Amino acid sequence: DIQMTQSPSTLSASVGDRVTITCRASQSISSWLAWYQQKPGKAPKLLIYKASSLESGVPSRFSGSESGTEFTLTISSLQPDDFATYYCQQYNSYQYSFGQGTKLEIK
Amino acid sequence: EVQLVESGGGLIQPGGSLRLSCAASGFTVSSYYMNWVRQAPGKGLEWVSLISGGGNTYYADSVKGRFTISRDDSKNTLYLQMNSLRAEDTAVYYCARGGAFGYWGQGTLVTVSS
Repeated sequence: DIQMTQSPSTLSASVGDRVTITCRASQSISSWLAWYQQKPGKAPKLLIYKASSLESGVPSRFSGSESGTEFTLTISSLQPDDFATYYCQQYNSYQYSFGQGTKLEIK
Repeated sequence: EVQLVESGGGLIQPGGSLRLSCAASGFTVSSYYMNWVRQAPGKGLEWVSLISGGGNTYYADSVKGRFTISRDDSKNTLYLQMNSLRAEDTAVYYCARGGAFGYWGQGTLVTVSS
């Protein structure tokens, strides 16, 4: 099974900050990596698919990148609506898996 | 408009069985990968099961042999049959479409407790 290691688990930041969240796969997943945002009591929302493709309707301040088995979600300038929990997910193998999540908090 | 609506959750005793449903509209379930994902209270997301368009099924190790994913193409509905339920199966269960999950239902809560 492919393990996804996400860091940090918690991130404190201010409106306007640039933040990055990292996810490392235990083996190659090509670019089959998605990023989600989840707010309390709600279903997750897809932000990025295939490592760097922006889902329709998602603001351009969100971006994804990859380097080997390391993947990064970047928010270029934090907005108040961005404080939430973020998850990565691999869909390379037919045993999908999520990272542990990163809670983005207001500093 | 794509919509997914789960139902069937509730309180069940350990060792019991429950069947969840996910009614789809705005697209044909048999044309897409369809998944179940769960989230225990206060915890992260856990992928549970997948059914491909061709009907192949896949499971997380934690539910293999106890849960069965299926679909009824005539009803455009996805199911999750859950047997031998354990306390650690307590979670909100979501259905989701795709490999990257672009569409999710609202979730249904399953509580396994005596």
